[in-house]
Amino acid sequence: ETGVTQTPRHLVMGMTNKKSLKCEQHLGHNAMYWYKQSAKKPLELMFVYSLEERVENNSVPSRFSPECPNSSHLFLHLHTLQPEDSALYLCASSQAPPGTYTYNEQFFGPGTRLTVL
Amino acid sequence: ELKVEQNPLFLSMQEGKNYTIYCNYSTTSDRLYWYRQDPGKSLESLFVLLSNGAVKQEGRLMASLDTKARLSTLHITAAVHDLSATYFCAVDTGNQFYFGTGTSLTVIP
Repeated sequence: ETGVTQTPRHLVMGMTNKKSLKCEQHLGHNAMYWYKQSAKKPLELMFVYSLEERVENNSVPSRFSPECPNSSHLFLHLHTLQPEDSALYLCASSQAPPGTYTYNEQFFGPGTRLTVL
Repeated sequence: ELKVEQNPLFLSMQEGKNYTIYCNYSTTSDRLYWYRQDPGKSLESLFVLLSNGAVKQEGRLMASLDTKARLSTLHITAAVHDLSATYFCAVDTGNQFYFGTGTSLTVIP
């Protein structure tokens, strides 16, 4: 148990559906992250939230919409996705936002395996 | 654009043998992390390396960091089946983590 949970673990959706991924961290951290992990590619950072404010958006298409209602919860809202969006979506948290600590280890959730038909 | 290259990408090794995984990166950083990922599971933190010359050991795994060469190594000693997993290095630039593509390790009897 890493202290970061994600639901659902698996999701199959059509291109016209709307769904949401949920992440919750129980570590008292102040920063949360969404990553995309595709086969044969490095992990891609999608979004970073620090103290519930978005501080990073790495040119992610608008069909992905993050929401951070508090420092413990992070959502990724999905709509009109494409088949190439099928991947493992990982949530992570760290004690502080990037750039503020001498080191800032990230702790990962188990991921949501998303398949877009 | 920062690049983090791991090699090999795939590694099949016999139990009891030694091997080294390499992580090269293209920017200045003195913070590097190693993670392990089992199939269908999360990334588990293995080592945190925070300075040039840092060396950490845990069981059969030892990680080191040479910031001048922009190189980190993960050395496996006397491999056992339980070490089969994918290993990632991640470079911390202070603003963002950059992950390598991962090394898929299979330890065979």
